[in-house]
Amino acid sequence: ILNVEQSPQSLHVQEGDSTNFTCSFPSSNFYALHWYRWETAKSPEALFVMTLNGDEKKKGRISATLNTKEGYSYLYIKGSQPEDSATYLCASLSNFGNEKLTFGTGTRLTIIP
Amino acid sequence: SQTIHQWPATLVQPVGSPLSLECTVEGTSNPNLYWYRQAAGRGLQLLFYSVGIGQISSEVPQNLSASRPQDRQFILSSKKLLLSDSGFYLCAWSVRSGVKGQPQHFGDGTRLSIL
Repeated sequence: ILNVEQSPQSLHVQEGDSTNFTCSFPSSNFYALHWYRWETAKSPEALFVMTLNGDEKKKGRISATLNTKEGYSYLYIKGSQPEDSATYLCASLSNFGNEKLTFGTGTRLTIIP
Repeated sequence: SQTIHQWPATLVQPVGSPLSLECTVEGTSNPNLYWYRQAAGRGLQLLFYSVGIGQISSEVPQNLSASRPQDRQFILSSKKLLLSDSGFYLCAWSVRSGVKGQPQHFGDGTRLSIL
């Protein structure tokens, strides 16, 4: 994988259901993986920064896992609520010198009340 | 607390006109600063980043330039806009420290439409 890819592109989930989506990134020269939540009419907000293989991070009902060897990360949302509706972006950082993040195109999540 | 201000929120400009978008950060010193663009149907693309006053790195060849005249001020400019410059522009900052990959904090963005 040369680019950061996210799937699915969009997702509709019933309120109360749990869901997850995927971020694939280049596993070679990996340094860090970022997740951001971007609500409509707001600015992107950092959720997680993950660096270690096997790492799992949690923030309330949202959690993320990281597999650096195969180059993927999952974002999980448990018991979806309407306020979870947003576009979720992941971004990969390589271990070359600079701070350049390469973003995926995002997963647009809509929670149906 | 730290805040980032970006303006204007929307801008409609004719082809060939100049551009100046401004971004300022408050509540922190020596931040890394970034300009991103999101074209329709595409992910955020890094245009420029800066690790200090007068230090600008350009990530993609383009019709735009960036300047950092003060520590917490980042300006995106163009002398003559093209239709392809249309898009949503985001400014961001991160803590400059010995730890790479700090989370980035974004402004509210500027929607630029070129006619």
